Amino acid sequence: GAGVSQSPSNKVTEKGKDVELRCDPISGHTALYWYRQRLGQGLEFLIYFQGNSAPDKSGLPSDRFSAERTGGSVSTLTIQRTQQEDSAVYLCASSLSPDRGLPLHFGNGTRLTVT
Amino acid sequence: AQSVTQLGSHVSVSEGALVLLRCNYSSSVPPYLFWYVQYPNQGLQLLLKYTSAATLVKGINDFEAEFKKSETSFHLTKPSAHMSDAAEYFCAVSDQAAGNKLTFGGGTRVLVKP
Repeated sequence: GAGVSQSPSNKVTEKGKDVELRCDPISGHTALYWYRQRLGQGLEFLIYFQGNSAPDKSGLPSDRFSAERTGGSVSTLTIQRTQQEDSAVYLCASSLSPDRGLPLHFGNGTRLTVT
Repeated sequence: AQSVTQLGSHVSVSEGALVLLRCNYSSSVPPYLFWYVQYPNQGLQLLLKYTSAATLVKGINDFEAEFKKSETSFHLTKPSAHMSDAAEYFCAVSDQAAGNKLTFGGGTRVLVKP
């Protein structure tokens, strides 16, 4: 079946511009996560959605970052006034539920380059 | 707060040799532990997980890992490396106190020499 789909796969933007990154989770998965992966580093948690509950935004690095999840499915991560340090791969993952022990299914990521 | 440390950002092994990737964690509650693999330009795939059952966990592609509470470790091994094992490997911990999200280590890139 279809996995987690992210678009675009690559995005080059100028410093100061806004960008939107999209994630289509696996159908029926209620939990959705965004992570950031900087070059040569591990994954940093950004935000977590579970059903209709208020999202866990504890990992968002600044108020320039925001995310929404519409209809419990598609999610959009928005970065306003991009900075060079925002350059990274942004990974989306979903899981069937937030139960511990369930695996996260990752998309292939969006590689963001801020020039 | 939970954390994960992977010793060695790069590991080079010969084809057919043992692969050993080290992972140590800290957690305020009994942890669930995971190993994920990332091939170039792809997302992460689950290799194996520990969820408080057997301490020796077997995963895909002949990988296995052993949970050692006394050492707070979850090292990943494979008896015989294949060229296709060249990838980046991430250890992660799920600490319920942290809201069911994973905390990842910095990753270990494995190079397999013919």
